[in-house]
Amino acid sequence: AQSVTQLDSQVPVFEEAPVELRCNYSSSVSVYLFWYVQYPNQGLQLLLKYLSGSTLVKGINGFEAEFNKSQTSFHLRKPSVHISDTAEYFCAVGGNRDDKIIFGKGTRLHILP
Amino acid sequence: DTEVTQTPKHLVMGMTNKKSLKCEQHMGHRAMYWYKQKAKKPPELMFVYSYEKLSINESVPSRFSPECPNSSLLNLHLHALQPEDSALYLCASSQVSGTPQHFGDGTRLSIL
Repeated sequence: AQSVTQLDSQVPVFEEAPVELRCNYSSSVSVYLFWYVQYPNQGLQLLLKYLSGSTLVKGINGFEAEFNKSQTSFHLRKPSVHISDTAEYFCAVGGNRDDKIIFGKGTRLHILP
Repeated sequence: DTEVTQTPKHLVMGMTNKKSLKCEQHMGHRAMYWYKQKAKKPPELMFVYSYEKLSINESVPSRFSPECPNSSLLNLHLHALQPEDSALYLCASSQVSGTPQHFGDGTRLSIL
């Protein structure tokens, strides 16, 4: 079975500071890993994905994530955040046989002025 | 702008009403999904259609009835819903099952 753990339910960060949102996964098979962002009153938008290849993945809006197989992690990072990054961020794992992707519980990013 | 279009954006209905949620994509994706999302929670998978056939039904109550008329359209028919069914209903699509999913902005459903 696959699972995803997002250790932080909320992360407050000052504007222009760096941020890391943590994600750990569990899987017995090869995985695909995703980060999605959800702005207020909107659906989910794909930030970035790891399917195979380079373990450092660059996404939209200046975000990147690193796949670490030994630590079963896929942490999301941004070197300098903006007020517009205020949103809910979901880590997700897929690639199992039954067509699902499994979402973490989400991390709310609060940008402080 | 999202490439997955959901209508209506908002819906208020009584417990005895029948209504339908609609989802459309023109990306040529062959897998389509319905999710239910409660406030401050992740999306919960309800149904998956793969090549227009229902491939996953997550034990959703029969008052929710999905339909996939063609590869671009996905409907969710609602009947005799309960107040606890109030939520954001999200549609998503992907090239094939298991690949990155593209989400619509959802229908916010309120049951009176």
